[in-house]
Amino acid sequence: RKEVEQDPGPFNVPEGATVAFNCTYSNSASQSFFWYRQDCRKEPKLLMSVYSSGNEDGRFTAQLNRASQYISLLIRDSKLSDSATYLCVVRSAGNNRKLIWGLGTSLAVNP
Amino acid sequence: DVKVTQSSRYLVKRTGEKVFLECVQDMDHENMFWYRQDPGLGLRLIYFSYDVKMKEKGDIPEGYSVSREKKERFSLILESASTNQTSMYLCASSLGGVAISMANEKLFFGSGTQLSVL
Repeated sequence: RKEVEQDPGPFNVPEGATVAFNCTYSNSASQSFFWYRQDCRKEPKLLMSVYSSGNEDGRFTAQLNRASQYISLLIRDSKLSDSATYLCVVRSAGNNRKLIWGLGTSLAVNP
Repeated sequence: DVKVTQSSRYLVKRTGEKVFLECVQDMDHENMFWYRQDPGLGLRLIYFSYDVKMKEKGDIPEGYSVSREKKERFSLILESASTNQTSMYLCASSLGGVAISMANEKLFFGSGTQLSVL
């Protein structure tokens, strides 16, 4: 089993739709969780850190479920500009500070 | 805002050549990283550094070496380039420090170097 798994998609949704992605992780002791966004042929950029209590930033909501070992990203009122690949990132347990990257979920928002 | 600059956007080299990829960050970050990204394999960590003159192997260090002589600069070296090193190379930096926090861990990436080895 991979340490971090994501549904690769693609998710094709119309503008204005609500879409949600999940990401599962295998190490129950993982400590930090992030969502990065990567546009085609561009570098990844941090979208949101994921806090234990869940957090919201405008149209984006991130949740952490430690019991089931997954994090989620909800996008409301999708815009064309949300089309991108969304990468789930988990910091492994221990003190090595290494980040484990998922392969990403591709989202296409259509007019 | 943090700027991470990679020296080349596209690079074409021949098998056996020694290749230098340079990365410079301007925000006095402690941590610097080199990743490669390939379709279907995602981002894989090659080497990282938490301090000047310090380096640690990532998940795929074979065929690579690194140098961090100054805090702002982290170089990736391919001693003898091979075709399987054709890839997108991404440099990143983070604030770092002793305390591990979300803010300290945020990665800032350069725009990447697409390396083709022929």
